[in-house]
Amino acid sequence: NAGVTQTPKFQVLKTGQSMTLQCAQDMNHNSMYWYRQDPGMGLRLIYYSASEGTTDKGEVPNGYNVSRLNKREFSLRLESAAPSQTSVYFCASSGDPRGFYEQYFGPGTRLTVT
Amino acid sequence: KQEVTQIPAALSVPEGENLVLNCSFTDSAIYNLQWFRQDPGKGLTSLLLIQSSQREQTSGRLNASLDKSSGRSTLYIAASQPGDSATYLCAVVALNRDDKIIFGKGTRLHILP
Repeated sequence: NAGVTQTPKFQVLKTGQSMTLQCAQDMNHNSMYWYRQDPGMGLRLIYYSASEGTTDKGEVPNGYNVSRLNKREFSLRLESAAPSQTSVYFCASSGDPRGFYEQYFGPGTRLTVT
Repeated sequence: KQEVTQIPAALSVPEGENLVLNCSFTDSAIYNLQWFRQDPGKGLTSLLLIQSSQREQTSGRLNASLDKSSGRSTLYIAASQPGDSATYLCAVVALNRDDKIIFGKGTRLHILP
């Protein structure tokens, strides 16, 4: 099992450009999550998907959109990147929609917006 | 609103010592609490998950306890080793309208050889 995979690992964007971060899990989990991690701010939830076909906003959803393509894949899109979106982005999955079970994290995508 | 606090933000101890990391949360109505380890430049690795009905969980040299009434959890690391150096984060799933998972900012642990 690969667990949770993310692509790309690193990305540099110019302000206003768009991009999609990809995430896939092979653990047959129902729930998937997107977080960002910033120094001094900790991990903050951007969006989550409790099951295939559903998505909900987290703590910091502005400037992002998500798609739960199928049970395995959950993508995060930046339509018009801003320097404030420079961060490390983590995708996670868990087996229960309410997080009863362990969360498994991907290795992260380090994004810089200039 | 649920808030999770981890104190201290950083800790250095000599190799071989036993140590305790602290996590506190403001809303005692939680489903579970999870401890993670994060190495520099890496993702988070789950260490222990404590359900709200449990008091503690153990894995090897790690023991996590949960006291919901006081809003506290501790992660005990026995016989620390340089390989334990990492950032340790706790996270709770709270019984609120959003049922989000809330993370503390972590304790950065350095074990001195």
